[in-house]
Amino acid sequence: GAGVSQTPSNKVTEKGKYVELRCDPISGHTALYWYRQSLGQGPEFLIYFQGTGAADDSGLPNDRFFAVRPEGSVSTLKIQRTERGDSAVYLCASSRGGSSYNEQFFGPGTRLTVL
Amino acid sequence: DAKTTQPPSMDCAEGRAANLPCNHSTISGNEYVYWYRQIHSQGPQYIIHGLKNNETNEMASLIITEDRKSSTLILPHATLRDTAVYYCIVRARHGSGNTGKLIFGQGTTLQVKP
Repeated sequence: GAGVSQTPSNKVTEKGKYVELRCDPISGHTALYWYRQSLGQGPEFLIYFQGTGAADDSGLPNDRFFAVRPEGSVSTLKIQRTERGDSAVYLCASSRGGSSYNEQFFGPGTRLTVL
Repeated sequence: DAKTTQPPSMDCAEGRAANLPCNHSTISGNEYVYWYRQIHSQGPQYIIHGLKNNETNEMASLIITEDRKSSTLILPHATLRDTAVYYCIVRARHGSGNTGKLIFGQGTTLQVKP
């Protein structure tokens, strides 16, 4: 079956620009997570959605970062006034949710480069 | 969530068992041990998880010590495609204020050699 998909796969932008990164989770998965991975590091948690609501946004680094999931399926991560330090791979994961042992399924990521 | 300690890198010969250790000495009673791996340029992939009993699936076996302070992931017959970064993660039960988010460390880079 279809896995988690993310678009675009690569995004190059200039410092100060606005970007949107999209995540299509596995159908029926209620939990959705965003992570960010810098070169040579493990993924770092950003935000978690259960359904439409952001249940935990403690990982968002500052108020330039925002994410939505208006219909409880597709999610968009939005970054305003991008900075060179935002360059990273942004990973999305989904799970069935509601249980501690539900595995998370990851997408291939979006590689963001801020020039 | 409890922190984990893993060796930064390991080598394994193709066809041999790969044994990847993880220390989680501060693990609490409601925390599970999870293993994920990340092949180059891909998203992480779930391998296995356990609470206190040993677990086995089609990918690997997980051995957890009786005091739960350490565990070992075993790939019984490593292939070149198993070359990846392996992450050991401890995570509290989802619910009661816990969101199920994964806290990744640096992981172990496993290089399987022909």
